[in-house]
Amino acid sequence: AQKITQTQPGMFVQEKEAVTLDCTYDTSDPSYGLFWYKQPSSGEMIFLIYQGSYDQQNATEGRYSLNFQKARKSANLVISASQLGDSAMYFCAMRASKAAGNKLTFGGGTRVLVKP
Amino acid sequence: GAVVSQHPSWVICKSGTSVKIECRSLDFQATTMFWYRQFPKQSLMLMATSNEGSKATYEQGVEKDKFLINHASLTLSTLTVTSAHPEDSSFYICSANLNWEKLFFGSGTQLSVL
Repeated sequence: AQKITQTQPGMFVQEKEAVTLDCTYDTSDPSYGLFWYKQPSSGEMIFLIYQGSYDQQNATEGRYSLNFQKARKSANLVISASQLGDSAMYFCAMRASKAAGNKLTFGGGTRVLVKP
Repeated sequence: GAVVSQHPSWVICKSGTSVKIECRSLDFQATTMFWYRQFPKQSLMLMATSNEGSKATYEQGVEKDKFLINHASLTLSTLTVTSAHPEDSSFYICSANLNWEKLFFGSGTQLSVL
């Protein structure tokens, strides 16, 4: 079974500072993908970044980077130079191999509030 | 970029009526779509996997007769909440695969059952 854990229910961050959102996962599948999504108050799910289990390098997308530590089964999201518009819920998710039905399993989420 | 369209964005209905929610992939074909439910301040919970041309696969605890899913074409999946009751009030959101790495979400539907 797959499990995603986000231990930080909420956090404040000062504008222009960096913030790290924690995510740990558990799976017995050797092939999997890790995702981060942003959900603003409007409810839409915005894709931020993807990391494959076999990727050698940490994924980066603009101000977003993923600190992938495979041995620790962690996939923390780092947002650099926080902006007011970054205030939202952030979800870590995992997708195992096709044998697991391509399902995306979500963590409980972390609410981020950026302070001016 | 790839877009998934979901309609309606919100719906209010009387208890006992049925509500249909549509999920469309606008510029790509999706053989598989997923339906999620989200309660306030909670995470997304997968309800079912919608497969084009075949029956949906429901997650444990999800009533298939209550939540009817139809995936009649490669670009459209529908979720019908039958005989809705207040406890069915929730945020429903769909997603579709572009490929393994790209999974896009609709904008969601807020359902309120009176």
